[in-house]
Amino acid sequence: KQEVTQIPAALSVPEGENLVLNCSFTDSAIYNLQWFRQDPGKGLTSLLLIQSSQREQTSGRLNASLDKSSGRSTLYIAASQPGDSATYLCAVHPDTGFQKLVFGTGTRLLVSP
Amino acid sequence: GAVVSQHPSRVICKSGTSVKIECRSLDFQATTMFWYRQFPKQSLMLMATSNEGSKATYEQGVEKDKFLINHASLTLSTLTVTSAHPEDSSFYICSARDGLAGDMLQETQYFGPGTRLLVL
Repeated sequence: KQEVTQIPAALSVPEGENLVLNCSFTDSAIYNLQWFRQDPGKGLTSLLLIQSSQREQTSGRLNASLDKSSGRSTLYIAASQPGDSATYLCAVHPDTGFQKLVFGTGTRLLVSP
Repeated sequence: GAVVSQHPSRVICKSGTSVKIECRSLDFQATTMFWYRQFPKQSLMLMATSNEGSKATYEQGVEKDKFLINHASLTLSTLTVTSAHPEDSSFYICSARDGLAGDMLQETQYFGPGTRLLVL
């Protein structure tokens, strides 16, 4: 059974810092991995999607990497801003399940001014 | 971008009543919709996969008679929590897959804003 873990569970940083969020998964048989952002009491916004054949994806200040063989992904946020404060979730799409995303436990990020 | 809406955004009901939550894809046809549940400070757990015109597929441990899902059109899926009890209080989120996007492995799911259910 696929399990997805995110470390740290919570992170508090001052504005301007670069930071790394970690995601690990137990089964490397995946189609892709996605990073989402969730604001309190809200739905999910997709940030980046990495196919299993890719090593990384970039969007603005965000960079996500994927090491499929070791079951790890990282989300790098450059020059963090207070508006980045949210919960970040990673999710994997196992290749044994039809579009069934398995979500991680999330990292709650607080960026203080 | 693709938009998914949910209605209502918040509902409070008495124990024993049934609650219907709607999930709509506003600008695309969603052949498949997914229903998730999220307890406070926990991650999303898939409850069921809803395919237009057919019966939903429920995850292990999810009671299909408790959580009725109907996907009657390409833009609407409904989740009905029957005889709701306090333990059903949770945040329910739907997502939808664009059925015309082509390769399903390349596409993303679009998530609704969620519905917070509180059963008293």
